[in-house]
Amino acid sequence: ILNVEQSPQSLHVQEGDSTNFTCSFPSSNFYALHWYRWETAKSPEALFVMTLNGDEKKKGRISATLNTKEGYSYLYIKGSQPEDSATYLCAAYYGGSQGNLIFGKGTKLSVKP
Amino acid sequence: DAMVIQNPRYQVTQFGKPVTLSCSQTLNHNVMYWYQQKSSQAPKLLFHYYDKDFNNEADTPDNFQSRRPNTSFCFLDIRSPGLGDAAMYLCATSSRDSSYEQYFGPGTRLTVT
Repeated sequence: ILNVEQSPQSLHVQEGDSTNFTCSFPSSNFYALHWYRWETAKSPEALFVMTLNGDEKKKGRISATLNTKEGYSYLYIKGSQPEDSATYLCAAYYGGSQGNLIFGKGTKLSVKP
Repeated sequence: DAMVIQNPRYQVTQFGKPVTLSCSQTLNHNVMYWYQQKSSQAPKLLFHYYDKDFNNEADTPDNFQSRRPNTSFCFLDIRSPGLGDAAMYLCATSSRDSSYEQYFGPGTRLTVT
């Protein structure tokens, strides 16, 4: 059974702090890694899809890196704002024409003003 | 805006009383997914449709069924809900397979009394 782990489970930071969280996944037969942001009462929103070892993606103050050999990805938020408060989900894809995503449990981020 | 819509957002049903959750999409994606997320757990894929082809996950209980009458709509039927079926149910779509971005609806929170 494939298992995707995220840490920490929850995180409380002050506005302006920079933060990062981890997603680890089995590296064998890995194809792609997805990051989603899920705000309360809204739809999960795709942030990044990464496939290549060493990939780095950036969207505003949020960036992510991927290490496929050791099976981990980091998500970084620079200068956290209250609107960054959400659950951040990562999901790994292992291929096949009709394969599916294996999700982690998420990291719940709370940013205090 | 193109989107994924789920109705209702909140559903209360009685133990053993059949319930249907609805998902519609305006993205014209050919793949539609149903996920179940229990409290503090990772979203878990129940099944997905690739066009009209239904793909059931091996560990999805028989109590859960799905219908996709056309490209735009997909339904989740729970024939005899138990207390353990209380969860958030997420619908998602993608244009090809899970290696590509999945677009999520806001979910339906199911309560079983």
